[in-house]
Amino acid sequence: EIVMTQSPATLSVSPGERATLSCGASQSISNNLAWYQQKPGQAPRLLIYGASTRATGIPARFSGSGSGTEFTLTISSLQSEDFAIYYCQQYHQWPPLTFGGGTKVEIK
Amino acid sequence: EVQLVESGGGLVQPGGSLRLSCSASGFIFSMHAMHWVRQAPGKGLEYVSTISSNGGSTYSADSVKGRFIISRDNSKNTLYLQMSSLRTEDTAIYYCVRDWATGLELVWLPWFDPWGQGTLVTVSS
Repeated sequence: EIVMTQSPATLSVSPGERATLSCGASQSISNNLAWYQQKPGQAPRLLIYGASTRATGIPARFSGSGSGTEFTLTISSLQSEDFAIYYCQQYHQWPPLTFGGGTKVEIK
Repeated sequence: EVQLVESGGGLVQPGGSLRLSCSASGFIFSMHAMHWVRQAPGKGLEYVSTISSNGGSTYSADSVKGRFIISRDNSKNTLYLQMSSLRTEDTAIYYCVRDWATGLELVWLPWFDPWGQGTLVTVSS
């Protein structure tokens, strides 16, 4: 099973600042990685697939990068609606499909 | 608009059974693989089970294998999860999720989009 590790667990950022979230895989997953955003009381929403392709309707301030075992989600200028929990998910080798533990982006 | 609406959650005793349903609309249901993903209260996301578009292939997490059965009825645009021998650790919100792919591809790389609003399953005596 491929283990996904996200850091930090919590990220405190001021509105308008850049946020950088990390996701690591226990073995190479090429670019077979997705990112999801989950706001309180809501279902997750797809942000990025293929490590760097934005899903339909996702603002350009969200960008993904990385390949192999190290990946990054960057939010270039945080808006109030971006404060949420972010999860990465690998789909390179499955079952099982595996998620990282999440990074909570909170207001500083 | 793509919609996934789960139902069937509730309170059940340990060892009991429950069947979840997910009604799909706004897309051609028979052309997409589907999944169940769960989230225990205050915890992260956990993969549960997968079914291909034609129902011919199914997969499950080890934690539910032999207890949960995923199925679908393409004539009713509905996905199911039959859960039996339920344990307290199965308590979670269960999300129905669409795959972009059919699951019939030579290489199947599933990501989840969109997600239903979820249905809460509570296993407690």
